[in-house]
Amino acid sequence: NAGVTQTPKFQVLKTGQSMTLQCAQDMNHNSMYWYRQDPGMGLRLIYYSASEGTTDKGEVPNGYNVSRLNKREFSLRLESAAPSQTSVYFCAILRVGEAFFGQGTRLTVV
Amino acid sequence: ILNVEQSPQSLHVQEGDSTNFTCSFPSSNFYALHWYRWETAKSPEALFVMTLNGDEKKKGRISATLNTKEGYSYLYIKGSQPEDSATYLCALNTGTASKLTFGTGTRLQVTL
Repeated sequence: NAGVTQTPKFQVLKTGQSMTLQCAQDMNHNSMYWYRQDPGMGLRLIYYSASEGTTDKGEVPNGYNVSRLNKREFSLRLESAAPSQTSVYFCAILRVGEAFFGQGTRLTVV
Repeated sequence: ILNVEQSPQSLHVQEGDSTNFTCSFPSSNFYALHWYRWETAKSPEALFVMTLNGDEKKKGRISATLNTKEGYSYLYIKGSQPEDSATYLCALNTGTASKLTFGTGTRLQVTL
């Protein structure tokens, strides 16, 4: 979606490797979110940030860390990837009560 | 953890059929209820954002209703078409700066 840019689009990691998923928005909005999508489980919230400098845990935060670098950027870090973290990850913002999503990152941990 | 439930989990209809799905949510601390349409390999796209009890919204052949007192919303599709095939997600927002909690979705498949 225009306005929310997520990188990379695809990534394969070995168990134990680390990586950071980047999300940037040019819509100047406060709330940013990281979700993961797994078959049969919809979108589950990992972490969210209501405003610059604040972050809160969502439903499934274990194994992840986040950083709200500034109003524009919200990154998700896997310190030591595990196969259970194989998923599709979406960054999103809330704008006028409506969520706008990035294109997703398909992550495979082998 | 908020419990947002959707039913059915999946649905298979023929072209021309009308159909509806349900989203159930806790009625306390309600701020807004969202519906999204999610096609495979794409990002979810917003259909409706509903805030008031009794709200009814319509976009083409798709409409939605909201009952905040009893904690449910219905999504209706009239005269389903193959291009309606997607997963339909509802999401509960409990405040202006709060997280958006999604249901697990209803996967709709429309065949000729």
